[in-house]
Amino acid sequence: DAKTTQPPSMDCAEGRAANLPCNHSTISGNEYVYWYRQIHSQGPQYIIHGLKNNETNEMASLIITEDRKSSTLILPHATLRDTAVYYCIVRVDYGANSKLTFGKGITLSVRP
Amino acid sequence: KAGVTQTPRYLIKTRGQQVTLSCSPISGHRSVSWYQQTPGQGLQFLFEYFSETQRNKGNFPGRFSGRQFSNSRSEMNVSTLELGDSALYLCASSFSPTGVAKNIQYFGAGTRLSVL
Repeated sequence: DAKTTQPPSMDCAEGRAANLPCNHSTISGNEYVYWYRQIHSQGPQYIIHGLKNNETNEMASLIITEDRKSSTLILPHATLRDTAVYYCIVRVDYGANSKLTFGKGITLSVRP
Repeated sequence: KAGVTQTPRYLIKTRGQQVTLSCSPISGHRSVSWYQQTPGQGLQFLFEYFSETQRNKGNFPGRFSGRQFSNSRSEMNVSTLELGDSALYLCASSFSPTGVAKNIQYFGAGTRLSVL
């Protein structure tokens, strides 16, 4: 079972920041937070991951609370092409059971 | 660098038949994982192969099987197809197997299987 909860959907205006929340209140100390997204009829795309520090790459920023029980994925300037289902996943980064377990994700709709 | 390639993209089969799906990982990647995606169950892990050995397996019946070749290409086979096997089958590759730090999986576009 997925160990994260996300709201089912949200929308934002094109050009504005999209802040996607994720709760992972039972996260263990050795589990990372990963974000993937899936654009309709395509395979999931890796976005970013982190353990406890905030992370930034060319696609997005990941903000993890100090207690690590929740995180926020930030798309700084959303475009129409960012409309997709976004999955927040927690997983250990080692061991035989570190497979990705996808939940239902959050559907982000970017409006013009 | 070319991404993960899955063939065919679309497939139509009838109940009782068997099907084989193919996945070519990113060059240099030795781990291949397979997932099934349906509207009802979402994305579910099937199995993972690394260096021609199955390392991890999800909760699917034995009708679902796979293998990996020495060039890291992988095939997935489903025998005695059922209507409920209609799904998008996704393959993901990574440089190292799950269980190694900072393993990132890159997904192909999938094979959409329809069972009639």
